[in-house]
Amino acid sequence: GAVVSQHPSRVICKSGTSVKIECRSLDFQATTMFWYRQFPKKSLMLMATSNEGSKATYEQGVEKDKFLINHASLTLSTLTVTSAHPEDSSFYICSASLGSAGETQYFGPGTRLLVL
Amino acid sequence: DQQVKQNSPSLSVQEGRISILNCDYTNSMFDYFLWYKKYPAEGPTFLISISSIKDKNEDGRFTVFLNKSAKHLSLHIVPSQPGDSAVYFCAANPGYNQGGKLIFGQGTELSVKP
Repeated sequence: GAVVSQHPSRVICKSGTSVKIECRSLDFQATTMFWYRQFPKKSLMLMATSNEGSKATYEQGVEKDKFLINHASLTLSTLTVTSAHPEDSSFYICSASLGSAGETQYFGPGTRLLVL
Repeated sequence: DQQVKQNSPSLSVQEGRISILNCDYTNSMFDYFLWYKKYPAEGPTFLISISSIKDKNEDGRFTVFLNKSAKHLSLHIVPSQPGDSAVYFCAANPGYNQGGKLIFGQGTELSVKP
């Protein structure tokens, strides 16, 4: 149980285009989903917290107009990188939590984004 | 300000021996701790967790110890296997009113040699 999927697993796009990444909880309803970014050899950096039906809460320094998050249902959250630039190239990972207190997060497999 | 610290970036252990990964935290209000394992280009996999009301939790080859007075936790893997080679992250849940966020350490890369 507690499986989280992400799509696509890898995407290459041209600078200036927008890219949408989907995160789905496959066998449970996730009250909260989280979006992370990981730089090479670095820890996971929390970008935003997404609650179903409400606006996402962004961490300090993360541009909400650049990284649009939509959490339309209890099993789906999307991250759209708008007007992507090469510096947005990274590994993006989502997670979902089971309970309202969100003790344990279950992670998706990640999406590798390369912006040319 | 790193609230969760894993001071060893890497650890090398012989197969069959014990691996001990350490993690320190600064905030005594943290009430739930987790360990995740991560392979390159994959998402982290949940391994084991511990609540602050306990000092030990065991699951198969994995045991997590929590020393609240020292604000220190450790993950023991015994016996270590080559397939355990990965990056291990410790994480802390700062509490219910923090929206379920996790604060991650920097990770320790474990290498288990045959």
